[in-house]
Amino acid sequence: DIVMTQSPDSLAVSLGERATINCKSSRTISYSSNNKDYLTWFQQRPGQPPKVLIYWASTRESGVPDRFSGSVSGMNYTLTISSLQAEDVAVYYCQQFYNTPWTFGQGTRVEV
Amino acid sequence: QVQLQESGPGLVTPSETLSLTCLVSGGSLMNYYWSWIRQSPGKELEWIGYVSDTGATHYNPSLQSRVNIFIDAFKNELSLQMSSVTAADTAVYYCARHAGTGLDRRAFDIWGQGTKVTVSS
Repeated sequence: DIVMTQSPDSLAVSLGERATINCKSSRTISYSSNNKDYLTWFQQRPGQPPKVLIYWASTRESGVPDRFSGSVSGMNYTLTISSLQAEDVAVYYCQQFYNTPWTFGQGTRVEV
Repeated sequence: QVQLQESGPGLVTPSETLSLTCLVSGGSLMNYYWSWIRQSPGKELEWIGYVSDTGATHYNPSLQSRVNIFIDAFKNELSLQMSSVTAADTAVYYCARHAGTGLDRRAFDIWGQGTKVTVSS
């Protein structure tokens, strides 16, 4: 199985400041044939199901605010919240959609 | 707008079979793949398996021997059966729709609210 490792486990950020979450895959999750990285970022607020923010490592889902962005460097993936808002307090998960069994990171809790 | 609603017993006895249903409303099962995903009390997410609109399935090898996922196109619902449950199967169970298929697969784009299942005698 591909192991997805997130860091840090938790993060405290002031409102309006930048939050950065990292996710490392144990193997490649990128197809050279289409140059796509099969990495999804989710946000999960308390009592809610996960909500997709970013797919293919850097493509924002429709309706997601542009303060959320994703990037990739090798097998290291980053989710950035450029200016933290109160409603962004949540747990964030990465997930590889490259190979079954599809696997998730352990989650990163973002607090104010 | 497509919505998913899971249902099933909140409490299951160890060694018994867990049965859950996910009703798809506001849209059709057809032309999509559908997954079951669970979240343990420790909050880790685990993909259980998927079913296509034609009934093709693929399961997580860690659960494959105990799991069956199937669809009922007439009722517009998918179901999960998990046999020989133990306390380790206690979790919130979600159904989710896949956006895209094959190399165009993008994400689990729509999720149900989840149903909590406790395995205990």
